[in-house]
Amino acid sequence: GDSVTQMEGPVTLSEEAFLTINCTYTATGYPSLFWYVQYPGEGLQLLLKATKADDKGSNKGFEATYRKETTSFHLEKGSVQVSDSAVYFCALTAVSGGYNKLIFGAGTRLAVHP
Amino acid sequence: DTGVSQNPRHKITKRGQNVTFRCDPISEHNRLYWYRQTLGQGPEFLTYFQNEAQLEKSRLLSDRFSAERPKGSFSTLEIQRTEQGDSAMYLCASSGGASNQPQHFGDGTRLSIL
Repeated sequence: GDSVTQMEGPVTLSEEAFLTINCTYTATGYPSLFWYVQYPGEGLQLLLKATKADDKGSNKGFEATYRKETTSFHLEKGSVQVSDSAVYFCALTAVSGGYNKLIFGAGTRLAVHP
Repeated sequence: DTGVSQNPRHKITKRGQNVTFRCDPISEHNRLYWYRQTLGQGPEFLTYFQNEAQLEKSRLLSDRFSAERPKGSFSTLEIQRTEQGDSAMYLCASSGGASNQPQHFGDGTRLSIL
């Protein structure tokens, strides 16, 4: 079945460091890909998305490119801030019966220190 | 846009008791999803409604679980005879329009079984 694999955390960085969180997927068909972020005690917020191969999603300085040839959707940011500390989830939509349920990776915790 | 609202935020109950959670989706959204998230894991799909019709239930949703969405507005998720393994965060999400629209999540209900 469809699945998402993320790099294990925690990822610990100093402020202004470069961030990469790896995400690879297995899916039949052509899923859309997402990154969601979860701050402590809160639900998930959509960070960015890409709906087809070679699309680049971007938001708040974060970027990810849909790579069909490597089945990857790695999250990057050039300069992280303390406020970026959160858990990041990579997800894909599995089309079923005309709707899209989300399949998530296990999440990667990011801790940014001043 | 008031967002997806879930109540209660926290629920602590004894094993064997029944619990009910409520989700109020974004008002114009006709699609509603329930997910369960255990500690250190990504959310897992439980069930999906389109308007008032429940169109898919995951195998994770045992006979002790029931979900409704009367009149296609708010939804309830009930767990009967709770067990220790039911302890988790229960997340509700909604989306509107086309099937590929992103899902918007509430802050979740955290269930703790004593």
